[in-house]
Amino acid sequence: DAGVIQSPRHEVTEMGQEVTLRCKPISGHDYLFWYRQTMMRGLELLIYFNNNVPIDDSGMPEDRFSAKMPNASFSTLKIQPSEPRDSAVYFCASSVGTGRSGNQPQHFGDGTRLSIL
Amino acid sequence: EDQVTQSPEALRLQEGESSSLNCSYTVSGLRGLFWYRQDPGKGPEFLFTLYSAGEEKEKERLKATLTKKESFLHITAPKPEDSATYLCAVLGDSNYQLIWGAGTKLIIKP
Repeated sequence: DAGVIQSPRHEVTEMGQEVTLRCKPISGHDYLFWYRQTMMRGLELLIYFNNNVPIDDSGMPEDRFSAKMPNASFSTLKIQPSEPRDSAVYFCASSVGTGRSGNQPQHFGDGTRLSIL
Repeated sequence: EDQVTQSPEALRLQEGESSSLNCSYTVSGLRGLFWYRQDPGKGPEFLFTLYSAGEEKEKERLKATLTKKESFLHITAPKPEDSATYLCAVLGDSNYQLIWGAGTKLIIKP
């Protein structure tokens, strides 16, 4: 079975440019999560969706960050404008019925390594 | 406040030298404790879920155990391919998102 698929795997861009990260969750999973991982702060939850609806975006650092999930098989995380402090590895994960309705494990993609110069 | 602390930060072992990693947690109403393995350049890979004190799970050379305050990941006769960062996360009643530990970097020398 295909796991969570993220693209691109690596992105290098200049400060001020728009960055779009993409994620395809595992088929049949109704929860989707976006995380950021850095050496200093570890894994941080940015936002999560249930049935394509954003449930909690309190982890989104600023208005420069936005996320969408137009359908059950696709989500994007956008940064505009990007800044050097946004450099990190961004992970997408999906699961079945986690959160208040359950406690199933999240399954992660291999991430996008983002470098803002 | 819910929190997770993993120790040690790093552990170096010889091949075949068994040991344990610790995950201490404070959470109101544990609904699940999760262990993951993360290799460089990869996303966390799910290993185990533990739901209640006394529960144990095994997979190959790994065994996870759970008490009311901590979880251990026991590694028996490890091999170099077991080298990775091991992450622990908890889900509690008061928070519907996983609380993650900082991880233990395990290095197994041949």
